[in-house]
Amino acid sequence: GAVVSQHPSWVICKSGTSVKIECRSLDFQATTMFWYRQFPKQSLMLMATSNEGSKATYEQGVEKDKFLINHASLTLSTLTVTSAHPEDSSFYICSASLGESEAFFGQGTRLTVV
Amino acid sequence: GENVEQHPSTLSVQEGDSAVIKCTYSDSASNYFPWYKQELGKRPQLIIDIRSNVGEKKDQRIAVTLNKTAKHFSLHITETQPEDSAVYFCAAVGGTSYGKLTFGQGTILTVHP
Repeated sequence: GAVVSQHPSWVICKSGTSVKIECRSLDFQATTMFWYRQFPKQSLMLMATSNEGSKATYEQGVEKDKFLINHASLTLSTLTVTSAHPEDSSFYICSASLGESEAFFGQGTRLTVV
Repeated sequence: GENVEQHPSTLSVQEGDSAVIKCTYSDSASNYFPWYKQELGKRPQLIIDIRSNVGEKKDQRIAVTLNKTAKHFSLHITETQPEDSAVYFCAAVGGTSYGKLTFGQGTILTVHP
């Protein structure tokens, strides 16, 4: 299957700083990628749809100014958590699909804000 | 938007028993229903999926059934093994972008030796 790589796998940052997470499709071009957030012992919740060359589409309740998404190429989407606070600590994971195929997930990023 | 409900939230079985997890969805336009197994700190792993034009699919010890009329689908694991212990999520997708998933709440499956 296709490979989606996410980096970093874990990051610790101080409250008030920003953190960038990268999601790459290694062997296919992804015009659309998706970002999910998973709090401990909870399900995955879609945060936003990342569209190559255009603005991301955010789900209801997700602050677009806090979670900046950039999809500047067909193989890379980035999620930047700005002015991070402890409540932003979570597992962030991206996915992409090849048309009507299964979704391929990145490894996920464990963000801890201290 | 789509809403997916999953039950039970926890399931404990003895090794060799069967396990069944059920999900319902709200959007009749949903057409793809994957099931994932997730281990702590890892990405979800697809274990089986079914499309809306199929009523049942089986892969060795794992099977999925879909009832479009009732808008529910179920995961069946037979001859459970301790290594089946994990969190299982159902999901539903509408349209053609199969990366945009609405997940159920998850089921913690524990298989006791």
